[in-house]
Amino acid sequence: GDSVTQMEGPVTLSEEAFLTINCTYTATGYPSLFWYVQYPGEGLQLLLKATKADDKGSNKGFEATYRKETTSFHLEKGSVQVSDSAVYFCALSTRGSQGNLIFGKGTKLSVKP
Amino acid sequence: EAGVAQSPRYKIIEKRQSVAFWCNPISGHATLYWYQQILGQGPKLLIQFQNNGVVDDSQLPKDRFSAERLKGVDSTLKIQPAKLEDSAVYLCASNPLGRNSGNTIYFGEGSWLTVV
Repeated sequence: GDSVTQMEGPVTLSEEAFLTINCTYTATGYPSLFWYVQYPGEGLQLLLKATKADDKGSNKGFEATYRKETTSFHLEKGSVQVSDSAVYFCALSTRGSQGNLIFGKGTKLSVKP
Repeated sequence: EAGVAQSPRYKIIEKRQSVAFWCNPISGHATLYWYQQILGQGPKLLIQFQNNGVVDDSQLPKDRFSAERLKGVDSTLKIQPAKLEDSAVYLCASNPLGRNSGNTIYFGEGSWLTVV
């Protein structure tokens, strides 16, 4: 079945460091891909998305490119801030799933000043 | 625009007791979801409604979990009797249509359940 695999955490970085969180997927057809973020004590918020191959989603300095050939959607940010500390979830949605999301296990990011 | 509203935010109950969670989706959103998020894991779909009809409840433990969306707006998720492994965050989410996989799903802040 459809699934999402993302890198294990936790990830600890210093402020202004470069961030990469790897995400790969398995899906039939052509899924839409998402990154959601969960700040401490809060609900999930959509960070960015891409709906077709080679699309780049971007928001708040974060980027991810939909790579069909490698079935990947890696999250990147050039310079992280303390306020980026959160849990990041990669997810996919397919037409066959009626639009609901299949999530990875999440990667906890801690940014130190 | 108001977001997805959930209550209560936190609940502690003893095993074998019952609990109910309420969700009011974003106005006009036809599709409503309940997800279960166990600590350290990604959310897992429990049930999906399209208006007041069930689209997918294949992962809902129907011996103890039930959910309804009688008027196609707000929804209630009930657990009876609760087990220790039901300790989790219960997330409600909504989506304008649900059939287009590119539509954004909006989540509430979640209801945190601890079963002792």
